[in-house]
Amino acid sequence: AQTVTQSQPEMSVQEAETVTLSCTYDTSESNYYLFWYKQPPSRQMILVIRQEAYKQQNATENRFSVNFQKAAKSFSLKISDSQLGDTAMYFCAFVDAGNNRKLIWGLGTSLAVNP
Amino acid sequence: GAVVSQHPSWVICKSGTSVKIECRSLDFQATTMFWYRQFPKQSLMLMATSNEGSKATYEQGVEKDKFLINHASLTLSTLTVTSAHPEDSSFYICSASSLQGYTDTQYFGPGTRLTVL
Repeated sequence: AQTVTQSQPEMSVQEAETVTLSCTYDTSESNYYLFWYKQPPSRQMILVIRQEAYKQQNATENRFSVNFQKAAKSFSLKISDSQLGDTAMYFCAFVDAGNNRKLIWGLGTSLAVNP
Repeated sequence: GAVVSQHPSWVICKSGTSVKIECRSLDFQATTMFWYRQFPKQSLMLMATSNEGSKATYEQGVEKDKFLINHASLTLSTLTVTSAHPEDSSFYICSASSLQGYTDTQYFGPGTRLTVL
């Protein structure tokens, strides 16, 4: 079965510092996509970053970057220069390219950015 | 781009009544729309997947007759909770994946909080 594991239920970081959120996944597929979504207190789910499994280059979006280790099935998210607005639940998710686009979700990491 | 709206954002209804929630992709055509339910401090639970013009595919354990899904066009899907009961109270979220571009990526609506009295 395909699974996504986020081993850090809660994390905190000081404003302007860097934090890394962990995510591992399990699949036997070779073609898939990985995502980090952010859900702030408003509960709007926001796409943070997307990674295609066939690309070795790590995706980046401004202050957000990933460390994608395909062999280790690891997909961590690094947030640089943390801002108060980064306070949110962060979900790691996986989709098998041939599986009707159903997302497999991790349980989430609650990140608090402290002033 | 890739904006998804949901209406209403919150609704309170009496037990036994039906509630309809609309999900619209505002600036793209959606091949597939998804309906989720989220309990407090938990991840999203997929309820069903719908493709325009086709019957929805429900996840195991989701009552088809209770949660009616209609995907009438490439920009609109609706979820109707029929004969709602207090245990149906929850946060419902829809998402849509685009016909073009990153077809594997889901874009989410802001959610609907349903309270059944």
